[in-house]
Amino acid sequence: NAGVTQTPKFQVLKTGQSMTLQCAQDMNHEYMSWYRQDPGMGLRLIHYSVGAGITDQGEVPNGYNVSRSTTEDFPLRLLSAAPSQTSVYFCASSYSGGTLEAFFGQGTRLTVV
Amino acid sequence: AQTVTQSQPEMSVQEAETVTLSCTYDTSESDYYLFWYKQPPSRQMILVIRQEAYKQQNATENRFSVNFQKAAKSFSLKISDSQLGDAAMYFCAYRSAMEYGNKLVFGAGTILRVKS
Repeated sequence: NAGVTQTPKFQVLKTGQSMTLQCAQDMNHEYMSWYRQDPGMGLRLIHYSVGAGITDQGEVPNGYNVSRSTTEDFPLRLLSAAPSQTSVYFCASSYSGGTLEAFFGQGTRLTVV
Repeated sequence: AQTVTQSQPEMSVQEAETVTLSCTYDTSESDYYLFWYKQPPSRQMILVIRQEAYKQQNATENRFSVNFQKAAKSFSLKISDSQLGDAAMYFCAYRSAMEYGNKLVFGAGTILRVKS
């Protein structure tokens, strides 16, 4: 029973490099989201998806791209990493109804130097 | 846009005692959900308790309970009989019932320290 799996757990990037943070869930959840966590600011929504093929921007989308080709996977792409993107990133998923409880991955700590 | 405010950056409690964490929010909506999440040093986000805005009864989960004051837009978390394992960062979060998607709005968090 894996739940929400994020990879990698830690990553160091150089400014200007690109990378993809992976997120997979095995609960057949319709909704998936990406958040970033910064000290003193809580978690902020980057992008979200309400189903395969459907994505939209959250509060802080600049510098990030997403796509959702399957129900299970929702990767987050950093096109050209900047030091301001140093953060902890969380992927979350939930059903579209019921309790609306969000299940979170264990996070990725990203450092851009 | 909705906002969530946690005015206590840090709180301390003695083991076995009770502590209350504060949360206020701002919204023009009448139908929404409120959550408290716990984040221990492992970084994992753990749901502690959930409140539906249309329910007047305050939610309770074992040692955790909330004081939900809809008119005042206040949603505090009370932890009774505090344990060392309760030490963590606690986040208050809001979710609209009127929108699609997993779109949580979080407060800045409160660090809870438990003294033995």
